[in-house]
Amino acid sequence: SAVISQKPSRDICQRGTSLTIQCQVDSQVTMMFWYRQQPGQSLTLIATANQGSEATYESGFVIDKFPISRPNLTFSTLTVSNMSPEDSSIYLCSVATMGTNEKLFFGSGTQLSVL
Amino acid sequence: RKEVEQDPGPFNVPEGATVAFNCTYSNSASQSFFWYRQDCRKEPKLLMSVYSSGNEDGRFTAQLNRASQYISLLIRDSKLSDSATYLCVVFTGGGNKLTFGTGTQLKVEL
Repeated sequence: SAVISQKPSRDICQRGTSLTIQCQVDSQVTMMFWYRQQPGQSLTLIATANQGSEATYESGFVIDKFPISRPNLTFSTLTVSNMSPEDSSIYLCSVATMGTNEKLFFGSGTQLSVL
Repeated sequence: RKEVEQDPGPFNVPEGATVAFNCTYSNSASQSFFWYRQDCRKEPKLLMSVYSSGNEDGRFTAQLNRASQYISLLIRDSKLSDSATYLCVVFTGGGNKLTFGTGTQLKVEL
């Protein structure tokens, strides 16, 4: 398993501002992912954070709205840009440690509320 | 039809009861199956993988039925601490993709 530190744990933000969420892992991992979990919904993959190259975004998510950095194998950030109330959600960093993304370990999540 | 469907519950059961959850999936090419547990306001944590032959871990038993495209989770002798949301997760290798169900909420009561 991996120990994942995610921060902030929660934030309340104003419409139109941006928030950057950080994810730090205690070991080098190949695969890091960012998920969103809206109230009462399942987890939805936003993107795969690729080390040294641009993130791979899922349908419905774009780099301008959710820029992602992955400078090395232990760290990634997700920015939620130009926020609106619809962005209120839990954002989760996750890693796969077994060569495939079948088994994931999650950070503790960031509870974001946009006013 | 959703890719992964679960009864949202809540399932309210007395302590000591046996409870079972089912989950159906739509993609017949799905390869691997998992149950995750998510406590309120916490991150999901892997509970167990689900194998074709069925597998057991203490009070928890998971089974896969490929023909009918569903997986199940059985919890025996429920404890108060089992109260959580149980997420069914399906992995499809072709798309290298994990799909999460919306979860089934379990409440174990005295």
